[in-house]
Amino acid sequence: AQSVTQLDSHVSVSEGTPVLLRCNYSSSYSPSLFWYVQHPNKGLQLLLKYTSAATLVKGINGFEAEFKKSETSFHLTKPSAHMSDAAEYFCVVSDRGYSTLTFGKGTMLLVSP
Amino acid sequence: DAMVIQNPRYQVTQFGKPVTLSCSQTLNHNVMYWYQQKSSQAPKLLFHYYDKDFNNEADTPDNFQSRRPNTSFCFLDIRSPGLGDAAMYLCATSRDRDRGLGSSYNEQFFGPGTRLTVL
Repeated sequence: AQSVTQLDSHVSVSEGTPVLLRCNYSSSYSPSLFWYVQHPNKGLQLLLKYTSAATLVKGINGFEAEFKKSETSFHLTKPSAHMSDAAEYFCVVSDRGYSTLTFGKGTMLLVSP
Repeated sequence: DAMVIQNPRYQVTQFGKPVTLSCSQTLNHNVMYWYQQKSSQAPKLLFHYYDKDFNNEADTPDNFQSRRPNTSFCFLDIRSPGLGDAAMYLCATSRDRDRGLGSSYNEQFFGPGTRLTVL
């Protein structure tokens, strides 16, 4: 069975400061891991994905995440927050081919001027 | 651009009145999914189609049905909507890795969603 824990339901940062959204996972197989972002009343957009290639994954809009198998973590970071980054972020794991995704509960990122 | 399209974006229905939500895709993906997302919650998978094979999640109520007449289209039918069915409904697609040619296997592409209101 697979599971995802997003350690913070809300994260507040000031514009221009670093962002860290934490995610831990559990999987019986070699997992694929994703971060999706959802702006209000919008669908989910893929930020980045890990599929057993490089452990440091770069995504869109300056985000990146590092897969750490020993820590079962896949934390999302960005060096400098922008107001447009304010949204909900979901960490997602999949361990069986095309099959279903397991979502974390989401982390709401708030960015203040 | 290849994409996942959902219509309508906003749907209002009355309690107990059947409603159909539509999803289409130009990605030619063989797998299509329907999710329900309630306010401040993660998306919850209702069911998915692998080609024409329908796969229902164990806890999806019988009130929810789906049809996939061809590769491009998939419909979500709610036979008798209740107040508790008000939510955002998300459609997604993916390409099974056994047929995929690249590294995009099991990545799901989401549509913009349909916001359902039940009066």
